[in-house]
Amino acid sequence: EPEVTQTPSHQVTQMGQEVILRCVPISNHLYFYWYRQILGQKVEFLVSFYNNEISEKSEIFDDQFSVERPDGSNFTLKIRSTKLEDSAMYFCAATTRPPETQYFGPGTRLLVL
Amino acid sequence: GEDVEQSLFLSVREGDSSVINCTYTDSSSTYLYWYKQEPGAGLQLLTYIFSNMDMKQDQRLTVLLNKKDKHLSLRIADTQTGDSAIYFCAERTDYGQNFVFGPGTRLSVLP
Repeated sequence: EPEVTQTPSHQVTQMGQEVILRCVPISNHLYFYWYRQILGQKVEFLVSFYNNEISEKSEIFDDQFSVERPDGSNFTLKIRSTKLEDSAMYFCAATTRPPETQYFGPGTRLLVL
Repeated sequence: GEDVEQSLFLSVREGDSSVINCTYTDSSSTYLYWYKQEPGAGLQLLTYIFSNMDMKQDQRLTVLLNKKDKHLSLRIADTQTGDSAIYFCAERTDYGQNFVFGPGTRLSVLP
């Protein structure tokens, strides 16, 4: 069964550094999402993306964050200057068409020191 | 705003049934989902229900929806140790909206 994949599985970075988290959605999925889960807390919506545009974003998704679909398969989340509070598990999700269910990747655990 | 609540912990004995409860506030919720998260892993879709349904059964899983009370439950029959995980309830409303997740219920299955 096709899966959403994410790389890297873990990333450790210094505060102020840029990180890029990558996701490869299932091939026929056109709507993409990023969520994050701070340790022990709820899964929080960050941003949704369709047709090379952001559809919706939360308050968390400030100017330090950006998303891109650089080619036909990858979907990336960039954090320009990481802060300690960006440490979390970041999940990519995709769907064929809302409100069909979203399929989640295994997550990237980001640790900012 | 939209809010989804769950009890945080549940312990059951192996072989018993588990019932995980969820309440939500948005009456326009269209789809409601249950996801499972095992330690260190991602979110795995277990099942979902449309708001025009009262019940959905899928093997050992039974989802009950009380739309009037905005209450959703997940029943796991014959709970096994492999069912130990965090279970997230999630809802979405209009077309194109994101998911709103509950805090998750940590299910512990005791031998």
